[in-house]
Amino acid sequence: QKEVEQDPGPLSVPEGAIVSLNCTYSNSAFQYFMWYRQYSRKGPELLMYTYSSGNKEDGRFTAQVDKSSKYISLFIRDSQPSDSATYLCAMQFGNEKLTFGTGTRLTIIP
Amino acid sequence: GAGVSQTPSNKVTEKGKYVELRCDPISGHTALYWYRQSLGQGPEFLIYFQGTGAADDSGLPNDRFFAVRPEGSVSTLKIQRTERGDSAVYLCASSQPGTGELFFGEGSRLTVL
Repeated sequence: QKEVEQDPGPLSVPEGAIVSLNCTYSNSAFQYFMWYRQYSRKGPELLMYTYSSGNKEDGRFTAQVDKSSKYISLFIRDSQPSDSATYLCAMQFGNEKLTFGTGTRLTIIP
Repeated sequence: GAGVSQTPSNKVTEKGKYVELRCDPISGHTALYWYRQSLGQGPEFLIYFQGTGAADDSGLPNDRFFAVRPEGSVSTLKIQRTERGDSAVYLCASSQPGTGELFFGEGSRLTVL
């Protein structure tokens, strides 16, 4: 079993819809939870960074962490075609390496 | 430069050859990471440098893989006797320790024929 599980998709939704992306993890030592966005043939870029359980909002993006269930989510409101990318969850404890999920490939249909 | 720079962007080689991939991190970033990403997969950790020393090399798959960072800035990932299974995008990232934010380069796409 992988430390971080993420549905690879692909996921296609119409423009303007709310998108929900999720990851589960098995290592309770993880302290920091991130979402990265990766466009085709580019490196990942950090989208959201959270430390504790709860919600964090940034514009159209909301990151949610539930440590008791070992479950994290990313919600995208009013989705745009420019949001089409692969979304990677990533987790870290201390100053250690990031452990990534498989990535979910998302397409927003105009 | 402003971001992490990786060269070459594409490398095609033959099975059994030696390959070097270079990473130039963001100026002032002391932490440097190498990841490998296969098609349809997330980045897989290879090695992490803090300054000149390898703080964690637990992700290197075998002794054909080696990385250096002699002056605490530029790093080179070296792959000996390449195999077809080494074909992937090799990503480099840098960060300031404790921030959790890794800045990635665009990767070096390695194809072993």
